[in-house]
Amino acid sequence: EMQLVQSGAGVKKPGESLRISCKGSGYRFTDYWIAWVRQMPGKGLEWMGLIDPDDSDSRYSPSFQGQVTFSVDKSINTAYLQWSNLKASDTAIYYCARPQFNSGWSNALDIWGQGTMVTVSS
Amino acid sequence: EIVLTQSPGSLSLSPGERATLSCWASQSLSRSYLAWYQQKPGQAPRLLIYAASTRATGVPDRFSGSGSGTGFTLTISRLEPEDFAVYYCQHYGMSPLFGPGTKVDIK
Repeated sequence: EMQLVQSGAGVKKPGESLRISCKGSGYRFTDYWIAWVRQMPGKGLEWMGLIDPDDSDSRYSPSFQGQVTFSVDKSINTAYLQWSNLKASDTAIYYCARPQFNSGWSNALDIWGQGTMVTVSS
Repeated sequence: EIVLTQSPGSLSLSPGERATLSCWASQSLSRSYLAWYQQKPGQAPRLLIYAASTRATGVPDRFSGSGSGTGFTLTISRLEPEDFAVYYCQHYGMSPLFGPGTKVDIK
């Protein structure tokens, strides 16, 4: 079964750093980009960007450029989303997702992780 | 920069009724790179439709997508109890983005 499994919820203080993970299984991890999507409490989905696990080529939405960092460890089929200076406004559920086809990143997302709730509060 | 709008913002219907949801793009979408997702409370989104009109694997045929250019529609022919959810359209071209969503709730 193809799936993405994300790390558990995290509670942090403003200014702290955090890295959450997304582990792929059931398919060749390096064949498909990994996308990240934010959902703030009670709000809609926001596209953050994606990373190519094969060479770590990353594309960021302008809204998230410089605010977060994508990375990957392909030896363990895991992608990461990282913050170095968390803000209360980063409180949200973060989803990783896989494009439907391995023909690049311009594809719909057909496999989703379960989401990671990040809470930033003093 | 493309902007997606969805209408209506919410829709109250009864099981068995037909739901028609719209998604409008501020510019013509190349190659109909338009998808629809369903999200239920506490769950990750689920892909329903891609390329504007192709059902994803396992999606019941009561869901259908249509449209091209700047106007797209998701139709649920007969609502089942499990269809009450929020629906998002998404453009997945060069600058991917999601629409704001349409909530379909029980009347």
